[in-house]
Amino acid sequence: DARVTQTPRHKVTEMGQEVTMRCQPILGHNTVFWYRQTMMQGLELLAYFRNRAPLDDSGMPKDRFSAEMPDATLATLKIQPSEPRDSAVYFCASANTYNSPLHFGNGTRLTVT
Amino acid sequence: SQQGEEDPQALSIQEGENATMNCSYKTSINNLQWYRQNSGRGLVHLILIRSNEREKHSGRLRVTLDTSKKSSSLLITASRAADTASYFCATDGGFKTIFGAGTRLFVKA
Repeated sequence: DARVTQTPRHKVTEMGQEVTMRCQPILGHNTVFWYRQTMMQGLELLAYFRNRAPLDDSGMPKDRFSAEMPDATLATLKIQPSEPRDSAVYFCASANTYNSPLHFGNGTRLTVT
Repeated sequence: SQQGEEDPQALSIQEGENATMNCSYKTSINNLQWYRQNSGRGLVHLILIRSNEREKHSGRLRVTLDTSKKSSSLLITASRAADTASYFCATDGGFKTIFGAGTRLFVKA
């Protein structure tokens, strides 16, 4: 059963450190999303890609966050430097086409102390 | 900013009862989707309803869409303890999929 894989599942780091989260979308899916989930803000869209090209990253704090797709099987989300307010669960999701259902990974739970 | 807003925020029912969750949104849409999230897991797609559809069924799920009122409802019939989860509506904002705040459903055995 095809699924989206995210690593690591959990990450605890100190403020100021670089954090890299990885996502392997479902093979053949051409759209990839990054979301952040917190109790206060719910699910926030950070960035999304189509055919590896970034279409919108307006939801990301540009000074510290960056998202890339080095190839069709890997999407990365980096935070440098990390801050305690970045603590959240980060989800990657992929989709087959525009407006089709999203398939989510199980997320990376990030804690910045 | 969130496009969809679910109501109620939380719902507690007995097993066997029906659960109804509502979603309101602000701008015109091409489709609306409902997702479920179990604790500690990613969201799972349940059902998609297009803007030209009024009602859709999938197993024990029934979704309605009223584009004139910009609202949708999700009905889960004969609920089970395993239905305990958070439920989210999602709308397409251009090329983006934007989620509401969710409804937490607790089904008591």
